[in-house]
Amino acid sequence: QVQLVESGGGVVQPGRSLELSCAASGFTFSSYEMHWVRQAPGKGLEWVAITSYDGSSGYYADSVKGRLTISRDNSKNTLYLQLSSLTAEDTAVYYCARRATLSYHAMDVWGHGTTVTVSS
Amino acid sequence: QSALTQPASVSGSPGQSIAISCTGTSSDVGGYNYVSWYQHHPGKAPKLMIYDVSNRPSGVPDRFSGSKSGNTASLTISGLQAEDEADYYCTSYTSSSTYVFGTGTRVTVL
Repeated sequence: QVQLVESGGGVVQPGRSLELSCAASGFTFSSYEMHWVRQAPGKGLEWVAITSYDGSSGYYADSVKGRLTISRDNSKNTLYLQLSSLTAEDTAVYYCARRATLSYHAMDVWGHGTTVTVSS
Repeated sequence: QSALTQPASVSGSPGQSIAISCTGTSSDVGGYNYVSWYQHHPGKAPKLMIYDVSNRPSGVPDRFSGSKSGNTASLTISGLQAEDEADYYCTSYTSSSTYVFGTGTRVTVL
């Protein structure tokens, strides 16, 4: 079935880097734009970034621009999010999501998230 | 990008109708018919409920409906049921080719 599974979260010290992965299955990964969305503890959902179907372009929320990098490897059906210069404000559950089949501007398949905790 | 504004909480009794507003600007909600709504139960993956303002994916009950007027979009739940208790978020495409979520609304079924 169509599925997204995030991994790579954990506890990391401030200023360090971390790479999250999102493994896709059950659909033609290379045909879909992909998003990252995060939710800090006690806060709402926050859109983070999107990558084009071939990884040639990406857009970012102002809050993460320059520190987070979205990328993908279509040969591995995997989406990535590189987090650098981490601060406590990056502590969150990170979800990957697929651009909806029915609408270019919605997200119809989500993973269950991976948790990143930035703490010394 | 400022988050779209939603009421923090809305409640209703079973069978009643409730509406959740989502207010943005002409650079997001008002400028495009690309508002979507998500239901989120804590600890689970968010679920798409409405896309492109008023369209419902298959499998979503028809008691969920969406609309938009100017810079404000709305999600209406008619015939509220216990399983509808969750957090709801709107999101919109923006003029910067990015997306912005709403602040989120906790729906409580009394």
